[in-house]
Amino acid sequence: GENVEQHPSTLSVQEGDSAVIKCTYSDSASNYFPWYKQELGKGPQLIIDIRSNVGEKKDQRIAVTLNKTAKHFSLHITETQPEDSAVYFCAASIRADDMRFGAGTRLTVKP
Amino acid sequence: DAGVIQSPRHEVTEMGQEVTLRCKPISGHNSLFWYRQTMMRGLELLIYFNNNVPIDDSGMPEDRFSAKMPNASFSTLKIQPSEPRDSAVYFCASRGSANTGELFFGEGSRLTVL
Repeated sequence: GENVEQHPSTLSVQEGDSAVIKCTYSDSASNYFPWYKQELGKGPQLIIDIRSNVGEKKDQRIAVTLNKTAKHFSLHITETQPEDSAVYFCAASIRADDMRFGAGTRLTVKP
Repeated sequence: DAGVIQSPRHEVTEMGQEVTLRCKPISGHNSLFWYRQTMMRGLELLIYFNNNVPIDDSGMPEDRFSAKMPNASFSTLKIQPSEPRDSAVYFCASRGSANTGELFFGEGSRLTVL
C-alpha cells in the first residue's frame, strides 16, 4: 500500500519568514495530494490540494508543488503569521478513498 | 452547516469495558471515514463507507473493533472489550464526492482506557 513520509517533524520560523514542508510517497499510481492543517483540539482541515496533472498550485500565501517523477510534493507558506502555527499533514491517495497521511509537521511561528 | 458531529468528545473508561463512538456526517455526503490518531502512529484509516456500505475495513486493528452505518446520517465505532492501547483520538470524516476528494473532519473523540 501507499507509504507517505513527511519532513521535518517540527519546524520553527520567525513571523514573516517562509516555511517549507516536504513529503514523499511510494505508490506511483497516487494522483491526489492534499494538505491538512490541524489546530489544537480540532480535526484536520483541508488547506490546499493538488492532482497529478498539475505541477504547482497557489492560493494566496500557500503553494504546493508536485514532482511525480521523484514522487515528492511540498507545501510552501510565505509571510508566515502566528495563526499559521499548527500541525500540518500531507496525504496521498489513488482513488481519494484510501487516503494515507504523513506523520505531521508541527509548525511554530514566533512573533 | 453544522459540520461533522462526533460524540462523546471525551471518554474515560476502564479496561474491558465497551466503548461506542458516534458520528453524524454532513447531510448529503455519501462517504464516511473513521480515523485513529496517536502520537506513535499518526492518522490511521480504520474503515470507510460509501453509501452506507463498508468498503475497506483493512485498517481495523482486530476483532475487538467494529463499525456500522445503519443510515446515511449516523455511524458508530465500537470497541469491545477496550484495552489501554486503544487510547487515542478517533476522528470521523465525511466526503460529498470522490471527485472533490476533500474530507471534512469532526472534532474527534478522545478515548482514554485505564
